[in-house]
Amino acid sequence: AQRVTQPEKLLSVFKGAPVELKCNYSYSGSPELFWYVQYSRQRLQLLLRHISRESIKGFTADLNKGETSFHLKKPFAQEEDSAMYYCALVTDSWGKLQFGAGTQVVVTP
Amino acid sequence: SQTIHQWPATLVQPVGSPLSLECTVEGTSNPNLYWYRQAAGRGLQLLFYSVGIGQISSEVPQNLSASRPQDRQFILSSKKLLLSDSGFYLCAWSGLVRHEQYFGPGTRLTVT
Repeated sequence: AQRVTQPEKLLSVFKGAPVELKCNYSYSGSPELFWYVQYSRQRLQLLLRHISRESIKGFTADLNKGETSFHLKKPFAQEEDSAMYYCALVTDSWGKLQFGAGTQVVVTP
Repeated sequence: SQTIHQWPATLVQPVGSPLSLECTVEGTSNPNLYWYRQAAGRGLQLLFYSVGIGQISSEVPQNLSASRPQDRQFILSSKKLLLSDSGFYLCAWSGLVRHEQYFGPGTRLTVT
């Protein structure tokens, strides 16, 4: 069965420190993965898509098929990075998404 | 550009009352549409999705139903609300080729 696991419910880091949000998936086919972010009082929005291999707001995420992981990383956390982050996996050709439980990131000064 | 709207933003309803939440998309045609429920610590649970007018797939059997009367309108309904229906409901759309989904602002439903 398809599954997305985000093992950390809460991640508290200091400003300027590196931050890594873990995401592991279970999928039999070729995975397509996203990271979504929800800032306080804002709607859920797309942060990264793995196929683009892009860096958004200093965040990067690399798909590791051997470890079935798609961890989100940023070398220097900023206070504005405080938010809820969700990892999501496409589970069929229609684009249905399976979301992880989410990781709340708190960046303290 | 594409936009997605949901209303109402908040709703307080008594147990046993009916429900109708509406979602509309602008700026795109024939989108895939989705209803989710978001619960703290449990992520987003997909409730319904639709790939076209009148085409609804249910992911979780429950007290809710969905309809798509127009191409860019998606409605979440219930005939009789339960306390367990309380939650934050999100509507989303995606294109036919690219799979990223775009979310509405959500509706906070409290059943009393």
